[in-house]
Amino acid sequence: DTAVSQTPKYLVTQMGNDKSIKCEQNLGHDTMYWYKQDSKKFLKIMFSYNNKELIINETVPNRFSPKSPDKAHLNLHINSLELGDSAVYFCASSKAGQGANEQYFGPGTRLTVT
Amino acid sequence: DQQVKQNSPSLSVQEGRISILNCDYTNSMFDYFLWYKKYPAEGPTFLISISSIKDKNEDGRFTVFLNKSAKHLSLHIVPSQPGDSAVYFCAASGRDSSYKLIFGSGTRLLVRP
Repeated sequence: DTAVSQTPKYLVTQMGNDKSIKCEQNLGHDTMYWYKQDSKKFLKIMFSYNNKELIINETVPNRFSPKSPDKAHLNLHINSLELGDSAVYFCASSKAGQGANEQYFGPGTRLTVT
Repeated sequence: DQQVKQNSPSLSVQEGRISILNCDYTNSMFDYFLWYKKYPAEGPTFLISISSIKDKNEDGRFTVFLNKSAKHLSLHIVPSQPGDSAVYFCAASGRDSSYKLIFGSGTRLLVRP
């Protein structure tokens, strides 16, 4: 009964490839997020969707494209992978409004680009 | 431009004693602050939060203190237990409608038996 799940947990790929990370939440939340944890361990928001609508889009290369087929899913597609994309990517979800401050995170996907 | 700073990368405490984790912020528009706990190979989990209208919030062994004038908050864990050993992230959000969380870099807490 995992609340926020991500697949795959580990992803090793070569530069230039295109890959996707999937995220699903079964909490009934309206809002979902993607965060990137870089080598310095900072967690930085990339995107946020509320009811399938994009509400936060930080300064992220347009090689990264989120897709939300429904409010329980938010997938992350990355085109033309670069070495600097290597990081841990976390999906999260929350209620809308004030409840958005308390976010529930998935276990993370460690992406390694070689 | 780090808006949320955790200047201590690590902290070691004896079991049963108090753990104090500190966090500073620079953006006066932040009005909600949270602490998340993270174990290795897991995502962060929400621990405790505080609104800017309060200066203290307590939940069991965990208490968060907010000093708005100093733009400083702290997390107190009393008594500390070995299972509390984890990385603790401070986070803040602002008065806009996006509820974007800005995280600090984390403090690794080790509670020694």
